[in-house]
Amino acid sequence: NAGVTQTPKFQVLKTGQSMTLQCAQDMNHEYMSWYRQDPGMGLRLIHYSVGAGITDQGEVPNGYNVSRSTTEDFPLRLLSAAPSQTSVYFCATTKGRFNEAFFGQGTRLTVV
Amino acid sequence: AQSVTQLGSHVSVSEGALVLLRCNYSSSVPPYLFWYVQYPNQGLQLLLKYTTGATLVKGINGFEAEFKKSETSFHLTKPSAHMSDAAEYFCAVSEVSSGSARQLTFGSGTQLTVLP
Repeated sequence: NAGVTQTPKFQVLKTGQSMTLQCAQDMNHEYMSWYRQDPGMGLRLIHYSVGAGITDQGEVPNGYNVSRSTTEDFPLRLLSAAPSQTSVYFCATTKGRFNEAFFGQGTRLTVV
Repeated sequence: AQSVTQLGSHVSVSEGALVLLRCNYSSSVPPYLFWYVQYPNQGLQLLLKYTTGATLVKGINGFEAEFKKSETSFHLTKPSAHMSDAAEYFCAVSEVSSGSARQLTFGSGTQLTVLP
């Protein structure tokens, strides 16, 4: 039982490149979300999904797209990478009515 | 709208001393409150949570927190710090909702250093 798996763990991009951060869960949770973590700012919500086919924006959605075709997968796409998107990205699932979140190990992205 | 304030971005304690990490929240409805711990180069792990009922909640690794509604606080404590407690700690709030949104709002984090 892997929980929440993120790939890749590390990535370096050039400004303007696009890429997809993968997130897969085997917990059968409906709710999934993407956060970015920056020093001194905690975790900020980028996008979230309440189930397959349903996504919505969080606090900092600009420059990112998501889709949710299956319960298990929730990829995050960077359309045209910018240095401001250098960050650590976490995918999470949430279970139950008490909203307990389970996190992946993170993807450390550097945009040069 | 919900928000979380963690007082002190860095806290240092000696091994064996009391650990106190402060968290205050604002929420327009009864909240669910969480403390997460993040070890270097890892994801976040749930330490403890308050949902309903007893206001003093116990978590893993000897940590506990008390929900004080009148003070809108949820401070994290541990009677005796251990070197392995060195990590970053995040307080988070989620509003009780009958809808499908399950958004967590995080504080900015507190880096705990344990001195030998």
